[in-house]
Amino acid sequence: NAGVMQNPRHLVRRRGQEARLRCSPMKGHSHVYWYRQLPEEGLKFMVYLQKENIIDESGMPKERFSAEFPKEGPSILRIQQVVRGDSAAYFCASSPSETLNTGELFFGEGSRLTVL
Amino acid sequence: EDQVTQSPEALRLQEGESSSLNCSYTVSGLRGLFWYRQDPGKGPEFLFTLYSAGEEKEKERLKATLTKKESFLHITAPKPEDSATYLCALHASGGSYIPTFGRGTSLIVHP
Repeated sequence: NAGVMQNPRHLVRRRGQEARLRCSPMKGHSHVYWYRQLPEEGLKFMVYLQKENIIDESGMPKERFSAEFPKEGPSILRIQQVVRGDSAAYFCASSPSETLNTGELFFGEGSRLTVL
Repeated sequence: EDQVTQSPEALRLQEGESSSLNCSYTVSGLRGLFWYRQDPGKGPEFLFTLYSAGEEKEKERLKATLTKKESFLHITAPKPEDSATYLCALHASGGSYIPTFGRGTSLIVHP
């Protein structure tokens, strides 16, 4: 049973370009979370999605950032017009169901974005 | 606002030297407190969930405990392979299920 798959693992972009980060949750999981991690800040929540729905996006900047989790295919975190401050590790996590959740989120290996 | 504070930020131990990591929290109502382990360059890996004060969970050399204000992760006779960053997270009552993470404690165990 494959774990949470994130790609690319490493992404380099120049300022002003777009970054697209993909996350395929574990089989049978319908909840996806995106977190950003900086060395001095720890893991910060960005957005929580279920299939075709954004449940909570309170941690995601209103501009330049968007997320989706379509009926078919992976969840995508999109960052438009990247700036140097967007450089970070972006982690995706999945869980099977909120009501059955024991608190365990299954994390991917992360996507490390570097903005030049 | 829900707060999770971990201490110390970094801890160096000799192999076999037991110690504890602290996670203090303020929350209006606690639905669950979680411990994760994160190795360099990897995603966090779930360890424990604690739901109520007085609860304890154990896994190999690790034991997590919970009071109304804090949680401890006790490491007994650690080995070098226990070196990692340990993250504490909590889920508050009400609202969506979104764990809030602390900044972590970086543990290094020397042989």
